[in-house]
Amino acid sequence: AQSVAQPEDQVNVAEGNPLTVKCTYSVSGNPYLFWYVQYPNRGLQFLLKYITGDNLVKGSYGFEAEFNKSQTSFHLKKPSALVSDSALYFCAVRGNSGNTPLVFGKGTRLSVIA
Amino acid sequence: GAGVSQSPSNKVTEKGKDVELRCDPISGHTALYWYRQSLGQGLEFLIYFQGNSAPDKSGLPSDRFSAERTGGSVSTLTIQRTQQEDSAVYLCASSYGTPKVYEQYFGPGTRLTVT
Repeated sequence: AQSVAQPEDQVNVAEGNPLTVKCTYSVSGNPYLFWYVQYPNRGLQFLLKYITGDNLVKGSYGFEAEFNKSQTSFHLKKPSALVSDSALYFCAVRGNSGNTPLVFGKGTRLSVIA
Repeated sequence: GAGVSQSPSNKVTEKGKDVELRCDPISGHTALYWYRQSLGQGLEFLIYFQGNSAPDKSGLPSDRFSAERTGGSVSTLTIQRTQQEDSAVYLCASSYGTPKVYEQYFGPGTRLTVT
């Protein structure tokens, strides 16, 4: 069975500082990994994905994520946080067998403080 | 372009009543998904439609929940004899192909409150 864990319910960071939102996963076979963001009173938006290729994936709004196979992690990062980055972030994963949809983590609330 | 739309945006119903939630996916998207988002619980997968294949119903929490997708486009999620624990935001998403590779596009959700 596939699963994803976001160990932090809440991450607080000062504006201008780098941010990291953590995600670890468990799947059989090679993983397909995604990050989504949910801004207040808005739907989920796709940020980035890792399917194959370079371990460092760049996405929307200056975010990037690094796939680390040995640590089974896919942490979301941004070099300099903005107040407007404050939102709920979801990591999602699926394996490459069968036809099961994505499994989402419980989400991490990011607060960027001016 | 037009995104995924859902209706109604809010629904308040009495315990025991049936409700229907509607999802209009992005045109041309073959895959459609329903999720439930409860406070502090993340996204809970409910059901998945892919083209003309039989839907994956493995996430439906009870037989009070059902969904259909007519003509490969619009989908309706039906909850019969609603209970207070059904209160949540119900999200619909669609994607161009299989969830393996293609990202999902989400609608704004329907907030269901069962009183």
